[in-house]
Amino acid sequence: GQNIDQPTEMTATEGAIVQINCTYQTSGFNGLFWYQQHAGEAPTFLSYNVLDGLEEKGRFSSFLSRSKGYSYLLLKELQMKDSASYLCAVMDSNYQLIWGAGTKLIIKP
Amino acid sequence: ETGVTQTPRHLVMGMTNKKSLKCEQHLGHNAMYWYKQSAKKPLELMFVYNFKEQTENNSVPSRFSPECPNSSHLFLHLHTLQPEDSALYLCASRNPGLENNEQFFGPGTRLTVL
Repeated sequence: GQNIDQPTEMTATEGAIVQINCTYQTSGFNGLFWYQQHAGEAPTFLSYNVLDGLEEKGRFSSFLSRSKGYSYLLLKELQMKDSASYLCAVMDSNYQLIWGAGTKLIIKP
Repeated sequence: ETGVTQTPRHLVMGMTNKKSLKCEQHLGHNAMYWYKQSAKKPLELMFVYNFKEQTENNSVPSRFSPECPNSSHLFLHLHTLQPEDSALYLCASRNPGLENNEQFFGPGTRLTVL
């Protein structure tokens, strides 16, 4: 079957760095996405990786290893507004997104 | 604002009611999606429309009935729902021609079934 695993909850300190891991097993692969979702709001797009390696976008970076079925989202210089859920999703061979349950990130002062 | 709007934002209904959720996208996309999001669970894909044609129905109970009259609008008609159908219902759209395959989400409808 298809499966996306990510930690349920993580806590970090304002100004620090946090890495959220995601492992996946899917039928086919057409890219991996990270979305951010604040409570009561729509998920918003953060990153898309289709090739191995690191993609950097400001304070956020996303890494992919297709051979290991593994990705991580790295958040630097954490701010209180980064408190949210972070959703990992893989696009399968039918171009449908398979979603993880999300990682709730709590930022403490 | 992602360019995808949903109404209503909140809905409370009894099990015998009939209601509809509406989604509208102003992005010129040709693919639209309905998802169900329950607490601490992954998003569940319900329906997919490509160029107004339904291309995916993920074993959704018949008490949920989608409608896509044109590529900008998507409806989800609800009737005789169960309390376990209470969830956040998200609409999304995508331009299949875009290289990064990004889906744009609406703010969702928070549905409570009594």
